[in-house]
Amino acid sequence: DAGVIQSPRHEVTEMGQEVTLRCKPISGHDYLFWYRQTMMRGLELLIYFNNNVPIDDSGMPEDRFSAKMPNASFSTLKIQPSEPRDSAVYFCASSTLGLEDTQYFGPGTRLTVL
Amino acid sequence: EDQVTQSPEALRLQEGESSSLNCSYTVSGLRGLFWYRQDPGKGPEFLFTLYSAGEEKEKERLKATLTKKESFLHITAPKPEDSATYLCAARILGNTPLVFGKGTRLSVIA
Repeated sequence: DAGVIQSPRHEVTEMGQEVTLRCKPISGHDYLFWYRQTMMRGLELLIYFNNNVPIDDSGMPEDRFSAKMPNASFSTLKIQPSEPRDSAVYFCASSTLGLEDTQYFGPGTRLTVL
Repeated sequence: EDQVTQSPEALRLQEGESSSLNCSYTVSGLRGLFWYRQDPGKGPEFLFTLYSAGEEKEKERLKATLTKKESFLHITAPKPEDSATYLCAARILGNTPLVFGKGTRLSVIA
């Protein structure tokens, strides 16, 4: 299996621009998680989906952030408009049994907002 | 508030010098304690899950143990390739996400 796939690996953009991060979970995994990692706050869960339905988005910092999962093999995290404080590494992870189960992480997208 | 604290923040060892990393947790009912390894520029990679006090799991030079208040990751005779950040995370009661610690950055010098 190819594991969790994320794109792009690096994104540099200017403040105010829209940013879209993409994730393809491991085939057969019903749960998908979006995390953000910074030096200050560590790894934080933003939102997670079960069978393409958002279950908990309480970690989404602001309305500027939105996530979708149109089908079992694709999810996006969008930031509009982006701000410098959004600079971080964003990870996508997937699992078979949700919160009880081991989560498998993608390689991450390093976002820099200038 | 549920918290997971890892210590030390950074650890530098000579090759072959055994040591332990600590993960202490204050959570309202532990359902599982996860250890992950993260290499620079990569996502966390799963190592172990521990479910009850007294449980131990081993993988190569790593052994994870769990008590009612903390978990230890023991590294025996480490090699330079063990250099990475080690993260622990607690799964607590209810429909809540994993609570991650900030990690211990381990450097093993040849």
